[in-house]
Amino acid sequence: DAEITQSPRHKITETGRQVTLACHQTWNHNNMFWYRQDLGHGLRLIHYSYGVQDTNKGEVSDGYSVSRSNTEDLPLTLESAASSQTSVYFCASSWDRGDTEAFFGQGTRLTVV
Amino acid sequence: AQSVTQLDSQVPVFEEAPVELRCNYSSSVSVYLFWYVQYPNQGLQLLLKYLSGSTLVKGINGFEAEFNKSQTSFHLRKPSVHISDTAEYFCAGDNTDKLIFGTGTRLQVFP
Repeated sequence: DAEITQSPRHKITETGRQVTLACHQTWNHNNMFWYRQDLGHGLRLIHYSYGVQDTNKGEVSDGYSVSRSNTEDLPLTLESAASSQTSVYFCASSWDRGDTEAFFGQGTRLTVV
Repeated sequence: AQSVTQLDSQVPVFEEAPVELRCNYSSSVSVYLFWYVQYPNQGLQLLLKYLSGSTLVKGINGFEAEFNKSQTSFHLRKPSVHISDTAEYFCAGDNTDKLIFGTGTRLQVFP
């Protein structure tokens, strides 16, 4: 069965370190997204991609970057981790139209100490 | 500006009682509207979606939602809840092929 997987599921890192969270989908979806989930804020969009070599900033993109070198993967990089980036991160993917369902990974819980 | 608003952060209800979770959307999202559910320590999964046509949409697990254009609302309902419905529920709208989420409603079902 097709799926979307995130790794690692949990990570603790130190302030100032670079961290990369992986997202891999086997749906062959064009669209991929990264959200962060924080209490009281719901899910907020960090970055998104509509296809290979395409990346776009979302609502809360400062301090994050993504790259899309193939259809299956959209890694999220925290350039210099800050305590404010402690959160649960979700990757999602969908077909290339807004009327279709988005499929979510299980999430990565990141703690910056 | 918030494009999708969930008016209640928490909704406590007893088992077998009816429930309504409220959602309002703004003009910055299209009328592609969704409800997702998140069980503890899991990702989100789709409950139902409204794209066009009938304003009453039925989803999984006995949930349904009604699209109301004049009130810009998309409220989620279930006539009789179960303990297993305890979860976080998110309303979302499409904004140029990306989902914009509300802040979520925590449904807590008590025995």
